Amino acid sequence: AQSVTQLGSHVSVSEGALVLLRCNYSSSVPPYLFWYVQYPNQGLQLLLKYTSAATLVKGINGFEAEFKKSETSFHLTKPSAHMSDAAEYFCAVSDLGYGGSQGNLIFGKGTKLSVKP
Amino acid sequence: EAGVTQSPTHLIKTRGQQATLRCSPISGHTSVYWYQQALGLGLQFLLWYDEGEERNRGNFPPRFSGRQFPNYSSELNVNALELEDSALYLCASSLASWSTEAFFGQGTRLTVV
Repeated sequence: AQSVTQLGSHVSVSEGALVLLRCNYSSSVPPYLFWYVQYPNQGLQLLLKYTSAATLVKGINGFEAEFKKSETSFHLTKPSAHMSDAAEYFCAVSDLGYGGSQGNLIFGKGTKLSVKP
Repeated sequence: EAGVTQSPTHLIKTRGQQATLRCSPISGHTSVYWYQQALGLGLQFLLWYDEGEERNRGNFPPRFSGRQFPNYSSELNVNALELEDSALYLCASSLASWSTEAFFGQGTRLTVV
C-alpha cells in the first residue's frame, strides 16, 4: 500500500528565506509523486510532478523538488519565499503509471506555509 | 479553455437529506475523481469514474455514490446526510485513466446542519 507523510503541519518562514516542505513516501512500485498547492477556499493546483525522468523537478512559481529513492523523500523547496506563497501544500503519490488499479492520488495531510513580512 | 467546474459552490442541507454535487471535467478528459476534504482529515479519495464506469472507490459507506454521464460529466450523491459529511468536495479530471496529471475544480462546500 502506498502512503505519504508530510513532516510538519505548519511551517513559518520570513519573506526571502528558504522554504523547505518535507514529504516522505512509501510505495511498493516506482512511484509518481506530486506537489499540489491550495489557496484558501480554492481547489488544488499542481506545482510539479515526478514521473521517473529527472530526479530534480522544477515547477511553477520557483518551486522545485528532488526525488531521493534512498531516502524515499520528495521534499519541496524554494530559495526565497514570497508573501504570495502562503498556502497549504500537499504531497501526493500514485502508482498509476505502472498499471496500478487505484486510479487515484494518495495525499499527505498537508503543510500550511505562513510567510512573515 | 475552461477548467474543471463544480456546482453548486456552496450547499447547505439538513441531517438525513440527500445532496447532489455536480462536476464538469475539462473538455476531452474521460476520467473524473472525487475527493472529500474534511477538517482535520485531509484529502480522502472517494470515487473514480472513467469512460462511464466506476473504476474504484475509497473507504466510504455505500450512501456515497455517483455516476458518470456519456458527456463525461459526473454527479456525486450523498444520501442520509450526517453532520460529519460537512466538508469541501473536490472533483478532478484527467485526460485518461493512465494520465499522470489531474486537474482540480474549486470544490463544493457542503454543510450539514
